[in-house]
Amino acid sequence: DTAVSQTPKYLVTQMGNDKSIKCEQNLGHDTMYWYKQDSKKFLKIMFSYNNKELIINETVPNRFSPKSPDKAHLNLHINSLELGDSAVYFCASSPRLIDEQFFGPGTRLTVL
Amino acid sequence: SQKIEQNSEALNIQEGKTATLTCNYTNYSPAYLQWYRQDPGRGPVFLLLIRENEKEKRKERLKVTFDTTLKQSLFHITASQPADSATYLCALGASGTYKYIFGTGTRLKVLA
Repeated sequence: DTAVSQTPKYLVTQMGNDKSIKCEQNLGHDTMYWYKQDSKKFLKIMFSYNNKELIINETVPNRFSPKSPDKAHLNLHINSLELGDSAVYFCASSPRLIDEQFFGPGTRLTVL
Repeated sequence: SQKIEQNSEALNIQEGKTATLTCNYTNYSPAYLQWYRQDPGRGPVFLLLIRENEKEKRKERLKVTFDTTLKQSLFHITASQPADSATYLCALGASGTYKYIFGTGTRLKVLA
C-alpha cells in the first residue's frame, strides 16, 4: 500500500545517456513534485504539477523534462546526463498546493 | 537572496531531555512553515505545519513555534528517545508562490 512510489530505486548510467524515473501516487492528490537532493542533503524543488498542469519550473536545465500523463503519475526524463546530475531525486505529492507533502523513497542516480 | 539556516552541525542529546532545533530565515516572508523528518536512505516525512498567524503548534511530544519578527522557528521534541534520531528539515512557503524552500537540515542523535 505504498502511497508514493518511484522506480527505479537506483540508477547507474554513463554520461550522455538518456534516462527516466517514474513516480506514482495512490493518495488521490492533485499536486505532485520533483525534488533533487544533492550530496550535502540540500533538497531543492525542480517541478510542480497541479491537476496535470505545470505550476513550478525552477531554473532546471531543459535536459530535464517532466511528464504527467494523469494526476496519479509524474515522470522525469533526463537527456544527455552529466556528472553533476548525480543526486537523489524525490517525488512527492500533496492534496493541494501549499499543504503537507508525501515523499517517495527516492531514486539515487549515479552518472559515471 | 533568500536564505534558510538550520544548525549545520549535529545535535547530540541525552535520552529523556528536550531537543530544540532552530530554523532561521532571511530575505523571505513565509506564510507557512513545515517540519519534516528524514531517515538515512528514505524520503522526508511530514511532521507539523504552522501558519504565520499561529505562534505555536503541538502534536504529541512535538512543538513548533513561529516568530515572524525574529524570523525564526523552533522545533522541540520533549522526552526524546533514541528512535527520534534523524535529520530534521524545515521548509518555508510564501503565499502565492506554490512552493516550499527547504533548509539544509539538522542531524539529531539521541543517546541512550
